Amino acid sequence: GDSVTQTEGQVTVSESKSLIINCTYSATSIAYPNLFWYVRYPGEGLQLLLKVITAGQKGSSRGFEATYNKETTSFHLQKASVQESDSAVYYCALSDMGYKLTFGTGTSLLVDP
Amino acid sequence: SVLLYQKPNRDICQSGTSLKIQCVADSQVVSMFWYQQFQEQSLMLMATANEGSEATYESGFTKDKFPISRPNLTFSTLTVNNARPGDSSIYFCSSRDGGSDYTFGSGTRLLVI
Repeated sequence: GDSVTQTEGQVTVSESKSLIINCTYSATSIAYPNLFWYVRYPGEGLQLLLKVITAGQKGSSRGFEATYNKETTSFHLQKASVQESDSAVYYCALSDMGYKLTFGTGTSLLVDP
Repeated sequence: SVLLYQKPNRDICQSGTSLKIQCVADSQVVSMFWYQQFQEQSLMLMATANEGSEATYESGFTKDKFPISRPNLTFSTLTVNNARPGDSSIYFCSSRDGGSDYTFGSGTRLLVI
């Protein structure tokens, strides 16, 4: 079946420093799945941060960006300068364009002020 | 985009009892989904619920244990029957609009003692 791997369970970054959260995927149900990053702020539900539906394209939102790399089957999330308000849990996910979202285990980001 | 409201936010129940989780959308949605998330693990799709039809369950989830109702296009309930400590997790409802965007409720944290 489809799977999404996030290798870092928790990441701590100092404010104004750069961030990268790794995500790789394996899709058996479809060659080019839709790829998503969701974010969950403390006490809130999951919110869509960004999505990319075309291989090779880059998505961006709120200073975050991620590029759909079909060669390496990766969709890493990056930000040049994090803020304390970015502290949250970030989930990488893929969709087979049917109804099913497959999530990674999430990466908890803590930004030190 | 659609907003989903879940209640309760959290609940504690005794083993062997049943509890209901409600999900209300602020506009009509065709499909609603229920996810389960154990601590530090990924969200797992439990079932898909369309109005007026039986919910479709993913492998590992059954109608007897997790009955779902979908009486109209803005409402769904998930029941956890014969709750056990192993059911302690966060439950999310989700919906998808006409495109590829998914919306999530804020989650219900369940503790079974």
